[in-house]
Amino acid sequence: DAGITQSPRYKITETGRQVTLMCHQTWSHSYMFWYRQDLGHGLRLIYYSAAADITDKGEVSDGYVVSRSKTENFPLTLESATRSQTSVYFCASSDRRAGAFYEQYFGPGTRLTVT
Amino acid sequence: DQQVKQNSPSLSVQEGRISILNCDYTNSMFDYFLWYKKYPAEGPTFLISISSIKDKNEDGRFTVFLNKSAKHLSLHIVPSQPGDSAVYFCAAGSKAAGNKLTFGGGTRVLVKP
Repeated sequence: DAGITQSPRYKITETGRQVTLMCHQTWSHSYMFWYRQDLGHGLRLIYYSAAADITDKGEVSDGYVVSRSKTENFPLTLESATRSQTSVYFCASSDRRAGAFYEQYFGPGTRLTVT
Repeated sequence: DQQVKQNSPSLSVQEGRISILNCDYTNSMFDYFLWYKKYPAEGPTFLISISSIKDKNEDGRFTVFLNKSAKHLSLHIVPSQPGDSAVYFCAAGSKAAGNKLTFGGGTRVLVKP
């Protein structure tokens, strides 16, 4: 299906475990982003990527790792999950053209619970 | 230090009336502003945007106003419908900083029939 998908939609894991959240988009958008949504904080940027093999930290990147070997995929890994990483995670993508600004399109989210 | 703030966490409005959502920002480098709508268990969806060179943008029932001197934007929904009940996020970005967005904390809107 066209669009942006995330998997899994729900995940429960234990403290200290490694967990990877997947994000896939079919638009060939250059930019991809990971956000977390917590009550009172809105959406906070974890990592973003301007193109394949180009990634950069966002506002709340500690404890997270990303990679982008292919344009369409942008997995987010929690190396050693902590309870504070319990959140809803959203992946987004947007187009890119010099001098222009494009809206981001969001996936449905992954609700992660760390016990 | 929140660069984008939505000071009203919730808003209740009667169907058919106007909903006004407010957003303030502090970073004068922002040159693009967006509103997103979010239903429970779904991702945010883009609603409307405005460039800093404009002070108003309209799309159907939705109008966004930008006051650069006050670093303030607002979203007007007229008339409000029960399907508009959702959480609304304002977001700001800068072309110079790529397509990154900084989001406000959101305002939950309830439209009563």
